[in-house]
Amino acid sequence: NAGVMQNPRHLVRRRGQEARLRCSPMKGHSHVYWYRQLPEEGLKFMVYLQKENIIDESGMPKERFSAEFPKEGPSILRIQQVVRGDSAAYFCASSPGTLTAGWRDTIQYFGAGTRLSVL
Amino acid sequence: QKEVEQNSGPLSVPEGAIASLNCTYSDRGSQSFFWYRQYSGKSPELIMFIYSNGDKEDGRFTAQLNKASQYVSLLIRDSQPSDSATYLCAVNRDRDDKIIFGKGTRLHILP
Repeated sequence: NAGVMQNPRHLVRRRGQEARLRCSPMKGHSHVYWYRQLPEEGLKFMVYLQKENIIDESGMPKERFSAEFPKEGPSILRIQQVVRGDSAAYFCASSPGTLTAGWRDTIQYFGAGTRLSVL
Repeated sequence: QKEVEQNSGPLSVPEGAIASLNCTYSDRGSQSFFWYRQYSGKSPELIMFIYSNGDKEDGRFTAQLNKASQYVSLLIRDSQPSDSATYLCAVNRDRDDKIIFGKGTRLHILP
């Protein structure tokens, strides 16, 4: 059973370019979460998605950032017109469900992350 | 008050000793609690979860939960240099079912 798959592992972009980060959840998981981590900082929640739905995007910057989780295919975190401050590690996590389904379903499993560097 | 608070450290513990990592949370209705370990440059890895008051043991790790005091801790017995990492406390927030992470405690095991 493959874990959470993220690609690319490293992404280098110049200012003004677009960055696309991909995340395939664990098999059987329908909930995807995106986090950003700056060096020496904690994990900052960005967005929570289920298939074809954004459930909570309270951590997403209002501009330039968007996320989707289509019916088929991986979840995508898209950053338009990147700036140097976007350089960070972006982690995706998946879980089977939510607390209403049982506390075990809330456990989040993380992918290896994408390290974005903006030149 | 931050939702999930941890001392950032670094916490230095001699090899073979017990490392004690602490976490407090603000949402009294929270029901599930998690400890993740993150090595430098790597992704967080779940090592323990607990949802009942009391202690839960798994090998050298013991998680302790006190809901009345809104306090969860992680004890690592017989600390090894390989335990040196950042430990993240995570709490399931009751009102919206969101997992909230603390900023983590850096643990350094001294050989």
